[in-house]
Amino acid sequence: DAKTTQPPSMDCAEGRAANLPCNHSTISGNEYVYWYRQIHSQGPQYIIHGLKNNETNEMASLIITEDRKSSTLILPHATLRDTAVYYCIVIGGGDDKIIFGKGTRLHILP
Amino acid sequence: NAGVTQTPKFRILKIGQSMTLQCTQDMNHNYMYWYRQDPGMGLKLIYYSVGAGITDKGEVPNGYNVSRSTTEDFPLRLELAAPSQTSVYFCASSYIRSDRRRGANYGYTFGSGTRLTVV
Repeated sequence: DAKTTQPPSMDCAEGRAANLPCNHSTISGNEYVYWYRQIHSQGPQYIIHGLKNNETNEMASLIITEDRKSSTLILPHATLRDTAVYYCIVIGGGDDKIIFGKGTRLHILP
Repeated sequence: NAGVTQTPKFRILKIGQSMTLQCTQDMNHNYMYWYRQDPGMGLKLIYYSVGAGITDKGEVPNGYNVSRSTTEDFPLRLELAAPSQTSVYFCASSYIRSDRRRGANYGYTFGSGTRLTVV
């Protein structure tokens, strides 16, 4: 079973920040939080990952709570091209295979 | 770098036929994976490999076989195609843990998929 819980869908207005939450209350100390997205019919695309500190790259920011039990992916200025299914995944413990959950389907509204 | 290359992109099979989905990567990744995605559903892990000569079952291995004779290639074989195997198949590869570097775009790289229909 996936180790994360995400809302099934979210809407966001174009140009606004999209904040996608993820709960991972059973995360252990050596496990990372990864985010991927899948645009319709394409292969999943890596977005960002983190262990305990907040992270930022050219695509997004990742905010991880101090207790590491939840995180938020932030797309700062959402565009229509950000419409996709977003997967929050916990990886670690010597097991490097990803088991995907159902993710969050993000709709960007014009 | 081509990344992860899958062939063919599309295929229609008749029930009972067999075929091999090809996957090759040029990033010297040790780990490789096969996933399937049914229409409107999430990805399910079929098989994976942590290095040449080593393969393991994933969540849904029945009806499939894999081999890993080289680091670059990880073909997926369907022996007796069934309508339930109609799906989009994605291959992926990854670094091993100890090779990962902060700041690099590491993690999993996916291919563009093979759309298979069994009729």
